Amino acid sequence: DSGVTQTPKHLITATGQRVTLRCSPRSGDLSVYWYQQSLDQGLQFLIQYYNGEERAKGNILERFSAQQFPDLHSELNLSSLELGDSALYFCASSPRPQQDTQYFGPGTRLTVL
Amino acid sequence: AQSVSQHNHHVILSEAASLELGCNYSYGGTVNLFWYVQYPGQHLQLLLKYFSGDPLVKGIKGFEAEFIKSKFSFNLRKPSVQWSDTAEYFCAVIGRMNYGGSQGNLIFGKGTKLSVKP
Repeated sequence: DSGVTQTPKHLITATGQRVTLRCSPRSGDLSVYWYQQSLDQGLQFLIQYYNGEERAKGNILERFSAQQFPDLHSELNLSSLELGDSALYFCASSPRPQQDTQYFGPGTRLTVL
Repeated sequence: AQSVSQHNHHVILSEAASLELGCNYSYGGTVNLFWYVQYPGQHLQLLLKYFSGDPLVKGIKGFEAEFIKSKFSFNLRKPSVQWSDTAEYFCAVIGRMNYGGSQGNLIFGKGTKLSVKP
């Protein structure tokens, strides 16, 4: 157990819908990262937050957005869902951006039908 | 462009066989290197990491990796695999700042599936 928690574990929804994935970082970690894992693209970095502020953006679609709240938990919002958005979404955390070791949560498996 | 290449998509071994998984990276600067493991249905767990110093690093569960700077490689090894090592293994890199901190974000390889036959 890494100490990073994610909810829900599984999510099944329809195309065009909007979902929110939630992540709580390890105690003391200020930085949160979101990744998408799919069969064709592998593990792709989406976005990073540090202490409530967006720090870096990767291959994140405009239909996706995220935020980190004052209590440091983070939410990833996915809207206008398409079949191709079906994937495992992982959250990771680290103490600070400079601290390189990222600890991963169990992931949320999103299925878009 | 920055990238990580894992040469083997799927490796099948018998128990007690030795393992070596290849990882090469392309990055215009100094890097920190990682191997993560993902057991079936589970999240990514850190196996080992290299930041600086001795290029031979030891991780959990008997794994080790060697950083060869001239070859831009960070291959993972285990002398004798067990059935419980069946998992997917990911190599990852991140740029390193002069003070040791990170620059940019983790770039992952596509992963290597390891199947160990009992």
